Amino acid sequence: DGGITQSPKYLFRKEGQNVTLSCEQNLNHDAMYWYRQDPGQGLRLIYYSQIVNDFQKGDIAEGYSVSREKKESFPLTVTSAQKNPTAFYLCASSIRGVLGTYGYTFGSGTRLTVV
Amino acid sequence: AQTVTQSQPEMSVQEAETVTLSCTYDTSESDYYLFWYKQPPSRQMILVIRQEAYKQQNATENRFSVNFQKAAKSFSLKISDSQLGDAAMYFCAYTGQGGSEKLVFGKGMKLTVNP
Repeated sequence: DGGITQSPKYLFRKEGQNVTLSCEQNLNHDAMYWYRQDPGQGLRLIYYSQIVNDFQKGDIAEGYSVSREKKESFPLTVTSAQKNPTAFYLCASSIRGVLGTYGYTFGSGTRLTVV
Repeated sequence: AQTVTQSQPEMSVQEAETVTLSCTYDTSESDYYLFWYKQPPSRQMILVIRQEAYKQQNATENRFSVNFQKAAKSFSLKISDSQLGDAAMYFCAYTGQGGSEKLVFGKGMKLTVNP
């Protein structure tokens, strides 16, 4: 079955460490996205990519980095520059068909906690 | 920039009753898409319903329907015959017709269903 796989489900980071969150899709979707979810804040866009080897900053990109070397993969690195990384991270993908966009397919998320 | 507002952070409904979740948005575009997503306690984001702005007919999906008022920039979700499984966070989202398909989300609303 096609879908998006995020791993790990839970991740613990020590102060000053970089950590990478994995996101893989087998839907043949062109576009992929990373969102951060905090209580009462909704979902805020970190980075997005519409095509391989290209990506754009979202609203809260500081302290994060991404790569898009393959269509299927869009990993997110949370760097030590991100001062408050504890949050729930969601990866999503989308495709625009002849009838327009159908919205996102989401992964199951990664809960990142700083210890 | 486009914004999406969900003014009610929490609501409750009795099982089998009907509840309406409100959402307003701000945009200067004439063509766009609107979505409602559900996030149950599992935190998996699930697409509930999609509305294309150029269609005057309100979208429906089984017990879920929308009241789309383009001039008022309002997009409310009506849940009929509420079930215990409807208890979740609900997010309203917007994306424009052109360019990227990135979604702008509201802050969400927590729906409780009482037996």
